[in-house]
Amino acid sequence: EVQLVESGGGLVQPGGSLRLSCAASEFSFSNYWMSWVRQAPGKGLEWVANIKQDGSEKYYVDSVKGRFTISRDNAKNSLYLQMNSLRAEDTAVYYCASIDYGDYKEFDYWGQGTLVTVSS
Amino acid sequence: DIQMTQSPSSLSASVGDRVTITCRASQSISRYLNWYQQKPGKGPKLLIYAASRLQSGVPSRFSGSGSGTDFTLTISSLQLEDFATYYCQQSYSTPPWTFGQGTKVEIK
Repeated sequence: EVQLVESGGGLVQPGGSLRLSCAASEFSFSNYWMSWVRQAPGKGLEWVANIKQDGSEKYYVDSVKGRFTISRDNAKNSLYLQMNSLRAEDTAVYYCASIDYGDYKEFDYWGQGTLVTVSS
Repeated sequence: DIQMTQSPSSLSASVGDRVTITCRASQSISRYLNWYQQKPGKGPKLLIYAASRLQSGVPSRFSGSGSGTDFTLTISSLQLEDFATYYCQQSYSTPPWTFGQGTKVEIK
């Protein structure tokens, strides 16, 4: 069974940094585009970033460009999100998700999420 | 950016009811439309992709239709385990990819 397990969330002050990790198991991680999606408390889902299998292409939502960096280590079956200059509006549960990048692109597997709280 | 608008934002229904949720895109997205189910405290689950294709393992009471700008998710006979929040999401062209605001299905 495919497993995506996020970690690294916590409480951080505005302007601070945090690095999220997502450990993948039971699927061919290196063959998949991967993504981060977030959900503010009581709100809907917001796509954050995508990364290609070899890391050569990355996309970000405008609100995090220049502050967040998505990366991956295929040898460790791991996905990362480096978050800098954090703001209160970045408070959310962050999910990692795999993308089936066939003719139609969909998030086919999701983790359980890790909570990031930005507050003084 | 492409905006996705779902309706209704919430609905109350009984077990056995037929439920329909609609999703409208701000521009044509062909069939690049996916539907997810989310239960409290859990990550979303893919139900339908490419507007109408049922994800493996998803019960056949779930179906999707539409193309262009207007899409529908239908649950033919609502079961207890279907009470959840449902999101549409477009994956047309390069990101940003956007979600609808969600539809919460509650027990009447």
